[in-house]
Amino acid sequence: EVQLVESGGGLVQPGGSLRLSCAVSGFTVSNNYMSWVRQAPGKGLEWVSVIYSGGGTYYADSVKGRFTISRHNSKNTVDLQMNSLRAEDTALYYCARTRSPLSGFFDFWGQGALVTVSS
Amino acid sequence: EIVMTQSPATLSASPGERATLSCRANQSISSNLAWYQHLPGQAPRLLIYGASTRATDIPARFSGSGSGTEFTLTISSLQSEDFAVYYCQQYNNRPPWTFGQGTKVDIK
Repeated sequence: EVQLVESGGGLVQPGGSLRLSCAVSGFTVSNNYMSWVRQAPGKGLEWVSVIYSGGGTYYADSVKGRFTISRHNSKNTVDLQMNSLRAEDTALYYCARTRSPLSGFFDFWGQGALVTVSS
Repeated sequence: EIVMTQSPATLSASPGERATLSCRANQSISSNLAWYQHLPGQAPRLLIYGASTRATDIPARFSGSGSGTEFTLTISSLQSEDFAVYYCQQYNNRPPWTFGQGTKVDIK
């Protein structure tokens, strides 16, 4: 059975940092393409970042230079390091498997980790 | 960045009725479109990819059509569990991949 479980969410002040982690079971992250997608309160879904099996990464313009996606093959996890956080980064962050680089849809999702940026 | 626009924002319908949701891209995305169902407190669920291919275990009452810039998700006969928010998403070429703003299907 495939499971994705996010952790690391919480309350952080503007300008602060937070690291989310996504623990995966049922498939190997190193052989797959993994994304983070977020949903701000009352808003729709927004793709944030992807890491390819070869290690290549992409970011939404809204987070480029502030967020870093990485994976830990031995733990079978994918992380999102978030720096210089802003109020507009407040959202529920989902980890999701991306089918492939040219089929960039998301077939498995976690339940999400809530990040609140507020003073 | 490709902009996706969904309509209507809210669709009110009764169980058993047919629901038709629209999604438009501001440039051609071929058939590189997915649809998701999102229930409150749950993870989004993939319904359709490739504009018209149902994902695993998705009931046949869900169907997708379209190509280029105009796409449709049809629910042939609404069931109680179908009242949710639906998003379309384009994945044409490399990221950024973008979602529509969502259509809420609620009970009339």
